Amino acid sequence: QVQLVQSGAEVRKPGASVKVSCKASGYTFKNYAAHWLRQAPGQRLEWMGWINAGNGNTKYSQKFQGRVTITRDRSASTAYMELRSLRSEDTAVYYCARDGGGSGSDLDYWGQGTLVAVSS
Amino acid sequence: DIQMTQSPSSVSASVGDRVTITCRASQGISNWLAWYQQKPGKAPNLLIYDASSLQSGVPSRFSGSGSGTDFTLTISSLQPEDFATYYCQQTDSFPPTFGGGTKVEIK
Repeated sequence: QVQLVQSGAEVRKPGASVKVSCKASGYTFKNYAAHWLRQAPGQRLEWMGWINAGNGNTKYSQKFQGRVTITRDRSASTAYMELRSLRSEDTAVYYCARDGGGSGSDLDYWGQGTLVAVSS
Repeated sequence: DIQMTQSPSSVSASVGDRVTITCRASQGISNWLAWYQQKPGKAPNLLIYDASSLQSGVPSRFSGSGSGTDFTLTISSLQPEDFATYYCQQTDSFPPTFGGGTKVEIK
């Protein structure tokens, strides 16, 4: 069965960076794009970017452009999201999700979420 | 960016009730809309894609309709496991954007 397993919770100080991993299993990794999203406490879901797991092409939300990098390791079936220059407003649960593969960007499988807390 | 507005923000209902949630896009998105269910502390779960297509494994009491700018999610007979928050997402253009959520609570 399809599974996305994310790395554990992280605590960082303002100005630091964090890198979250998302290991995929149960499907051919290179055939599906991987998205990264976040959800701050009590807030709506916010899309950050995605990566074509086959060719490594990426697209980022303008809000995070320059601060986020999404990569993947095909041999490990794992996608990564690195966010730099963290501030308190970046405290959120970060999710990876698989693109459904259709023409729209619906997300058919999700990781369990990774809490990133930014505090001095 | 396309803005997605959901209403109501919360609804109180009883088991067996019919519940309808509305989502409006700030511009036309054809049928490029998805609906998700999220329970506390859990990741969202895809219910409906392409406005009206039921995701595999999702009970048939869930249905979606609409096109252009106005969409609805209907739960035909609310079950205890359906108490959760529901989000719409436009899948038409980047960046994908989500509605603010509708919390379905026990009456």
